[in-house]
Amino acid sequence: SQQGEEDPQALSIQEGENATMNCSYKTSINNLQWYRQNSGRGLVHLILIRSNEREKHSGRLRVTLDTSKKSSSLLITASRAADTASYFCATDLIIQGAQKLVFGQGTRLTINP
Amino acid sequence: KAGVTQTPRYLIKTRGQQVTLSCSPISGHRSVSWYQQTPGQGLQFLFEYFSETQRNKGNFPGRFSGRQFSNSRSEMNVSTLELGDSALYLCASRYTGTPEDTQYFGPGTRLTVL
Repeated sequence: SQQGEEDPQALSIQEGENATMNCSYKTSINNLQWYRQNSGRGLVHLILIRSNEREKHSGRLRVTLDTSKKSSSLLITASRAADTASYFCATDLIIQGAQKLVFGQGTRLTINP
Repeated sequence: KAGVTQTPRYLIKTRGQQVTLSCSPISGHRSVSWYQQTPGQGLQFLFEYFSETQRNKGNFPGRFSGRQFSNSRSEMNVSTLELGDSALYLCASRYTGTPEDTQYFGPGTRLTVL
Protein backbone atom coordinates (compact mmCIF):
# COMPACT_ATOMS: atom_id res chain seq x y z
CA SER A 1 0.00 0.00 0.00
CA GLN A 2 1.07 3.56 -0.58
CA GLN A 3 2.82 5.35 2.26
CA GLY A 4 1.65 8.74 1.10
CA GLU A 5 -1.79 9.65 -0.10
CA GLU A 6 -2.57 12.96 -1.72
CA ASP A 7 -5.80 14.84 -1.50
CA PRO A 8 -7.50 15.91 -3.67
CA GLN A 9 -6.76 13.60 -6.58
CA ALA A 10 -7.51 16.42 -9.00
CA LEU A 11 -7.76 20.17 -8.59
CA SER A 12 -8.77 22.78 -11.14
CA ILE A 13 -8.46 26.49 -10.36
CA GLN A 14 -8.19 29.83 -12.13
CA GLU A 15 -4.87 31.44 -12.83
CA GLY A 16 -3.86 33.69 -9.97
CA GLU A 17 -5.64 31.67 -7.30
CA ASN A 18 -3.85 29.66 -4.65
CA ALA A 19 -3.69 25.87 -4.82
CA THR A 20 -3.44 23.65 -1.77
CA MET A 21 -2.65 19.96 -1.87
CA ASN A 22 -2.50 17.64 1.10
CA CYS A 23 -0.54 14.50 1.79
CA SER A 24 -1.00 11.95 4.54
CA TYR A 25 1.41 9.18 5.41
CA LYS A 26 1.45 6.19 7.70
CA THR A 27 4.82 5.65 9.36
CA SER A 28 7.47 7.83 10.99
CA ILE A 29 9.63 9.71 8.56
CA ASN A 30 12.99 11.46 8.38
CA ASN A 31 11.78 13.91 5.81
CA LEU A 32 9.03 14.49 3.29
CA GLN A 33 9.55 15.73 -0.22
CA TRP A 34 7.32 17.21 -2.88
CA TYR A 35 7.84 16.64 -6.58
CA ARG A 36 6.21 17.96 -9.72
CA GLN A 37 5.70 15.99 -12.90
CA ASN A 38 4.64 17.46 -16.19
CA SER A 39 2.65 15.09 -18.35
CA GLY A 40 4.60 11.89 -18.97
CA ARG A 41 7.94 13.36 -18.03
CA GLY A 42 10.44 13.03 -15.21
CA LEU A 43 9.92 14.32 -11.72
CA VAL A 44 11.25 17.67 -10.62
CA HIS A 45 12.18 18.07 -6.97
CA LEU A 46 10.39 21.03 -5.39
CA ILE A 47 11.13 21.03 -1.70
CA LEU A 48 12.27 18.83 1.18
CA ILE A 49 11.04 19.34 4.71
CA ARG A 50 12.68 17.55 7.60
CA SER A 51 10.72 15.88 10.35
CA ASN A 52 11.83 18.53 12.86
CA GLU A 53 10.62 21.38 10.65
CA ARG A 54 7.06 22.67 10.61
CA GLU A 55 7.09 25.01 7.63
CA LYS A 56 9.30 25.76 4.68
CA HIS A 57 9.12 28.27 1.84
CA SER A 58 10.59 28.32 -1.62
CA GLY A 59 9.44 31.10 -3.91
CA ARG A 60 5.69 30.70 -4.38
CA LEU A 61 5.72 27.36 -2.59
CA ARG A 62 4.92 26.85 1.05
CA VAL A 63 5.08 23.43 2.66
CA THR A 64 3.88 22.54 6.14
CA LEU A 65 4.46 19.35 8.05
CA ASP A 66 2.49 18.07 11.03
CA THR A 67 4.16 14.92 12.29
CA SER A 68 1.53 14.41 15.00
CA LYS A 69 -1.12 14.10 12.29
CA LYS A 70 1.26 12.51 9.80
CA SER A 71 0.30 15.03 7.18
CA SER A 72 1.81 17.69 4.97
CA SER A 73 0.42 20.36 2.71
CA LEU A 74 1.79 22.13 -0.35
CA LEU A 75 0.53 25.62 -1.11
CA ILE A 76 1.22 27.25 -4.45
CA THR A 77 0.39 30.93 -4.36
CA ALA A 78 -0.56 33.11 -7.32
CA SER A 79 -0.82 30.11 -9.62
CA ARG A 80 0.28 30.28 -13.25
CA ALA A 81 -0.62 28.19 -16.28
CA ALA A 82 2.88 26.69 -16.13
CA ASP A 83 2.03 25.19 -12.73
CA THR A 84 -0.29 22.73 -14.45
CA ALA A 85 1.20 19.35 -13.55
CA SER A 86 0.89 16.43 -11.18
CA TYR A 87 2.28 16.89 -7.69
CA PHE A 88 3.54 14.04 -5.56
CA CYS A 89 4.60 13.80 -1.98
CA ALA A 90 7.25 11.26 -1.14
CA THR A 91 8.34 9.90 2.20
CA ASP A 92 11.44 7.94 2.96
CA LEU A 93 11.53 4.47 4.38
CA ILE A 94 14.86 3.38 5.75
CA ILE A 95 15.41 -0.32 5.22
CA GLN A 96 18.72 -1.79 6.34
CA GLY A 97 20.35 1.59 6.09
CA ALA A 98 19.12 2.27 2.58
CA GLN A 99 16.52 4.82 1.69
CA LYS A 100 13.49 4.01 -0.39
CA LEU A 101 11.23 6.87 -1.48
CA VAL A 102 7.56 5.98 -1.32
CA PHE A 103 5.30 8.16 -3.42
CA GLY A 104 1.64 8.96 -3.14
CA GLN A 105 -0.74 8.72 -6.07
CA GLY A 106 -0.43 12.42 -6.75
CA THR A 107 -2.69 15.42 -7.25
CA ARG A 108 -3.40 16.49 -10.81
CA LEU A 109 -3.45 20.31 -10.81
CA THR A 110 -4.93 22.23 -13.72
CA ILE A 111 -4.59 26.00 -13.91
CA ASN A 112 -7.20 27.58 -16.17
CA PRO A 113 -6.27 30.84 -17.92
CA LYS B 1 26.24 20.00 -14.44
CA ALA B 2 24.30 17.86 -16.84
CA GLY B 3 21.20 16.24 -15.39
CA VAL B 4 20.29 12.58 -15.20
CA THR B 5 20.01 11.08 -18.65
CA GLN B 6 18.13 7.98 -19.67
CA THR B 7 18.28 6.06 -22.89
CA PRO B 8 16.35 5.22 -24.86
CA ARG B 9 13.47 7.62 -24.28
CA TYR B 10 10.91 5.39 -25.98
CA LEU B 11 10.88 1.68 -26.58
CA ILE B 12 8.41 -0.77 -28.07
CA LYS B 13 8.81 -4.47 -27.40
CA THR B 14 6.68 -7.56 -27.69
CA ARG B 15 5.75 -10.03 -24.98
CA GLY B 16 8.48 -12.48 -24.12
CA GLN B 17 11.32 -10.23 -25.21
CA GLN B 18 13.81 -8.66 -22.88
CA VAL B 19 14.85 -5.05 -22.58
CA THR B 20 17.75 -3.08 -21.13
CA LEU B 21 17.38 0.53 -20.03
CA SER B 22 20.28 2.80 -19.27
CA CYS B 23 20.74 5.64 -16.80
CA SER B 24 23.63 8.06 -16.46
CA PRO B 25 23.55 9.89 -13.13
CA ILE B 26 24.65 13.42 -12.43
CA SER B 27 28.43 13.60 -12.30
CA GLY B 28 29.66 12.74 -8.81
CA HIS B 29 26.45 11.02 -7.74
CA ARG B 30 27.02 7.49 -6.52
CA SER B 31 23.47 6.38 -5.79
CA VAL B 32 21.05 5.41 -8.55
CA SER B 33 17.48 4.34 -7.94
CA TRP B 34 14.91 3.01 -10.38
CA TYR B 35 11.15 3.49 -10.27
CA GLN B 36 8.26 2.21 -12.34
CA GLN B 37 5.29 4.46 -12.98
CA THR B 38 1.95 3.15 -14.23
CA PRO B 39 -1.52 4.71 -14.17
CA GLY B 40 -2.82 1.93 -11.95
CA GLN B 41 -0.01 1.46 -9.44
CA GLY B 42 1.55 4.91 -9.50
CA LEU B 43 5.24 5.33 -8.74
CA GLN B 44 6.83 2.23 -7.32
CA PHE B 45 10.40 1.71 -6.18
CA LEU B 46 12.33 -0.98 -8.02
CA PHE B 47 15.84 -0.91 -6.57
CA GLU B 48 18.76 1.26 -5.55
CA TYR B 49 22.42 0.86 -6.33
CA PHE B 50 25.24 2.53 -4.46
CA SER B 51 28.88 2.03 -5.34
CA GLU B 52 28.04 -0.88 -7.63
CA THR B 53 26.07 -2.72 -4.94
CA GLN B 54 22.34 -3.20 -4.79
CA ARG B 55 21.36 -2.16 -1.32
CA ASN B 56 17.60 -1.91 -1.50
CA LYS B 57 14.95 -3.64 -3.55
CA GLY B 58 11.24 -3.17 -4.04
CA ASN B 59 8.55 -5.81 -4.45
CA PHE B 60 9.09 -6.79 -8.04
CA PRO B 61 9.63 -10.24 -9.53
CA GLY B 62 13.07 -11.52 -10.38
CA ARG B 63 12.51 -10.64 -14.03
CA PHE B 64 13.52 -7.14 -13.03
CA SER B 65 17.21 -6.78 -12.41
CA GLY B 66 19.83 -4.12 -12.53
CA ARG B 67 23.45 -3.32 -12.12
CA GLN B 68 25.73 -0.37 -11.62
CA PHE B 69 29.11 0.19 -13.16
CA SER B 70 32.22 1.73 -11.65
CA ASN B 71 31.39 5.08 -13.26
CA SER B 72 27.99 4.97 -11.46
CA ARG B 73 26.05 4.45 -14.67
CA SER B 74 23.28 1.96 -14.18
CA GLU B 75 21.31 -0.41 -16.33
CA MET B 76 18.00 -2.06 -15.66
CA ASN B 77 16.96 -5.26 -17.37
CA VAL B 78 13.53 -6.77 -17.69
CA SER B 79 13.34 -10.29 -19.06
CA THR B 80 10.34 -12.15 -20.47
CA LEU B 81 8.31 -8.99 -20.89
CA GLU B 82 4.64 -8.97 -20.01
CA LEU B 83 1.94 -6.54 -21.10
CA GLY B 84 1.80 -5.20 -17.56
CA ASP B 85 5.41 -4.08 -17.79
CA SER B 86 4.33 -1.21 -20.02
CA ALA B 87 5.24 1.84 -17.99
CA LEU B 88 7.41 4.89 -17.60
CA TYR B 89 10.69 3.83 -16.00
CA LEU B 90 12.38 6.58 -14.06
CA CYS B 91 15.91 6.69 -12.80
CA ALA B 92 17.07 9.01 -10.04
CA SER B 93 20.51 9.82 -8.70
CA ARG B 94 21.78 11.18 -5.40
CA TYR B 95 25.21 12.20 -4.16
CA THR B 96 25.71 9.96 -1.16
CA GLY B 97 22.48 8.15 -0.69
CA THR B 98 21.69 9.50 2.74
CA PRO B 99 18.10 10.43 3.57
CA GLU B 100 18.94 14.13 3.43
CA ASP B 101 20.05 13.93 -0.14
CA THR B 102 17.69 15.07 -2.84
CA GLN B 103 16.99 12.59 -5.61
CA TYR B 104 17.23 14.04 -9.10
CA PHE B 105 15.14 12.29 -11.70
CA GLY B 106 15.78 11.68 -15.35
CA PRO B 107 13.14 12.17 -18.06
CA GLY B 108 12.25 8.48 -18.06
CA THR B 109 12.04 5.70 -20.61
CA ARG B 110 8.56 4.98 -21.92
CA LEU B 111 8.30 1.22 -22.48
CA THR B 112 5.39 -0.19 -24.40
CA VAL B 113 4.93 -3.96 -24.51
CA LEU B 114 2.70 -5.28 -27.29
